[in-house]
Amino acid sequence: NAGVTQTPKFRVLKTGQSMTLLCAQDMNHEYMYWYRQDPGMGLRLIHYSVGEGTTAKGEVPDGYNVSRLKKQNFLLGLESAAPSQTSVYFCASRIQGAREQYFGPGTRLTVT
Amino acid sequence: KQEVTQIPAALSVPEGENLVLNCSFTDSAIYNLQWFRQDPGKGLTSLLLIQSSQREQTSGRLNASLDKSSGRSTLYIAASQPGDSATYLCAPDSGNTPLVFGKGTRLSVIA
Repeated sequence: NAGVTQTPKFRVLKTGQSMTLLCAQDMNHEYMYWYRQDPGMGLRLIHYSVGEGTTAKGEVPDGYNVSRLKKQNFLLGLESAAPSQTSVYFCASRIQGAREQYFGPGTRLTVT
Repeated sequence: KQEVTQIPAALSVPEGENLVLNCSFTDSAIYNLQWFRQDPGKGLTSLLLIQSSQREQTSGRLNASLDKSSGRSTLYIAASQPGDSATYLCAPDSGNTPLVFGKGTRLSVIA
């Protein structure tokens, strides 16, 4: 049971490049989330999903897209990276209902 | 919209002290509240989840209390150790909506 894993751990992009971050969970959780964490800003929700094939916008969705084609995977895409997207990205998941939320180890992204 | 405030933003204490971290939230219609720990460069680890029907939840040297009606929770750490140094975040849970996090309290325990 690996919990929540994120790929890659680190990435450097140039402005305008695209990339996809992968989040995978093996706990059969319905809900999955993507957050970004910036100094002084705390954790901010980008997008989330309440089940396979569904996605919804969070607090800061602009510049990002997501897909949940399989229950265990939640992908976060940057179509045209900008320096403002330099951040640490965390994925999380939880079972349906008000229960504990589990986090991945994070992806540190730098856009130059 | 739920807003979460954590006070203090940073705290430095000598080893062995007991300490209290505070969390306040604006929407008291919550099902539970979760406390997390984050070590530098790492993800968040769940410490305690306290249900809205509970007043306290304990795990080892950690004790979390919840006063739902006043929108407050505290995390009490007994006999602090250098290994407790981390950032502590709280997140009230309104059910099936995403968690809203405070900005955290950065704790340093000095040996």
